[in-house]
Amino acid sequence: DTAVSQTPKYLVTQMGNDKSIKCEQNLGHDTMYWYKQDSKKFLKIMFSYNNKELIINETVPNRFSPKSPDKAHLNLHINSLELGDSAVYFCASSQGTSDRTDTQYFGPGTRLTVL
Amino acid sequence: GDSVTQMEGPVTLSEEAFLTINCTYTATGYPSLFWYVQYPGEGLQLLLKATKADDKGSNKGFEATYRKETTSFHLEKGSVQVSDSAVYFCALSDRNTGKLIFGQGTTLQVKP
Repeated sequence: DTAVSQTPKYLVTQMGNDKSIKCEQNLGHDTMYWYKQDSKKFLKIMFSYNNKELIINETVPNRFSPKSPDKAHLNLHINSLELGDSAVYFCASSQGTSDRTDTQYFGPGTRLTVL
Repeated sequence: GDSVTQMEGPVTLSEEAFLTINCTYTATGYPSLFWYVQYPGEGLQLLLKATKADDKGSNKGFEATYRKETTSFHLEKGSVQVSDSAVYFCALSDRNTGKLIFGQGTTLQVKP
């Protein structure tokens, strides 16, 4: 059973298009995250949701819009794709403990290529 | 703001060699510290973690000790295997938001 799953695994699209990436976790966690990994492998937080509420939005262009229909899902919609959006996007989830010692569990990643 | 610095890679070792990957951090307060590993083409997996000063995290022969006085969390393994070849990320957890702040990653290549 996959704990954190993402679809699609690969996404190739043209500049200017709109696309979505889906994430689901079956761990019963309260908190979910989106991270972006660039071509140099650097990872940076984009968003975090706790119980369907946005709690982190890290200066991400508003072309990126996360949506959490329920606690187990956090989707990422990207409008007007640009070349610089090419990256690997990782979803993660955690229990969201108040002392922040909990482990985040990562999905397999979605490799987005914008042509 | 909080940050994590790792030693530059790539690190190339022969099988059974000793591994150290240095990691230092800057943070207000007392963050939790993590090492994650990313095997080729895969997502990140937790390798080990420590949540307070002097804690030692360990897993699969890897160890790291939370050193508050030197703000470090160096990763060590006594005898690496070819299967340990991967990218290793040091990270801290922001106490206010829970977000992970990562170092730049260190690629380890182990040759037979």
